[in-house]
Amino acid sequence: DIQMTQSPSSLSASVGDRVTITCQASQDITNYLNWYQQKPGKAPKLLMYDASTLETGVPSRFSGSGSGTDFTFTISSLQPEDIATYYCQQYDKLPRTFGQGTKVEIK
Amino acid sequence: QVQLQESGPGLVKPSETLSLTCTVSGVSISSNSYYWGWIRQPPGKGLEWIASFNYSGSTYYNPSLKSRGTITVDTSKNQFSLRLRSVTAADTAVYYCARHFGRVNGMDVWGQGTTVTV
Repeated sequence: DIQMTQSPSSLSASVGDRVTITCQASQDITNYLNWYQQKPGKAPKLLMYDASTLETGVPSRFSGSGSGTDFTFTISSLQPEDIATYYCQQYDKLPRTFGQGTKVEIK
Repeated sequence: QVQLQESGPGLVKPSETLSLTCTVSGVSISSNSYYWGWIRQPPGKGLEWIASFNYSGSTYYNPSLKSRGTITVDTSKNQFSLRLRSVTAADTAVYYCARHFGRVNGMDVWGQGTTVTV
């Protein structure tokens, strides 16, 4: 299985801060990477696919980059409604696998 | 508007079979345009892909299930189901059904999830 490692596991930032999460795959996954946002008690929500393509309706303060094994997810200006846990997920190989999640909190 | 809704027993005894159903509205699951699947999340933990299928007959399971899982489809009710045999406490989780885009690429529509305790 492809292992997906996210860092950090959690972070605390102020409203308006730039927030960056990294996701590393255990092998080359080209750009076959999704990012999800999960708020407490809710189902995950797809934010981004193909590593950097925003899903329709997702605010432009969210962005992604990377290819191969190293990927980055950025919130350019953290908003209160962005408090959530974020997951990366690879779709290069079966079984599909997720990172362990990054919990984003407001300082 | 596509919607998915999971249903099933909240409590299952160890060694028994867990059965969950996902009812889909807004699109026919017999369309070959989409794959459909199950994902679970143990309490306080991350997400695990379980299994997915499309109506043309392609079905994929996570090997971590050790052949305990089976997906069935009822097109007359626009539902699909997951059966998981010989459950243990490790199967305690919130179970989500979801629609995939591409070939099991990602999940763009999710149900609200149903909690199962073993």
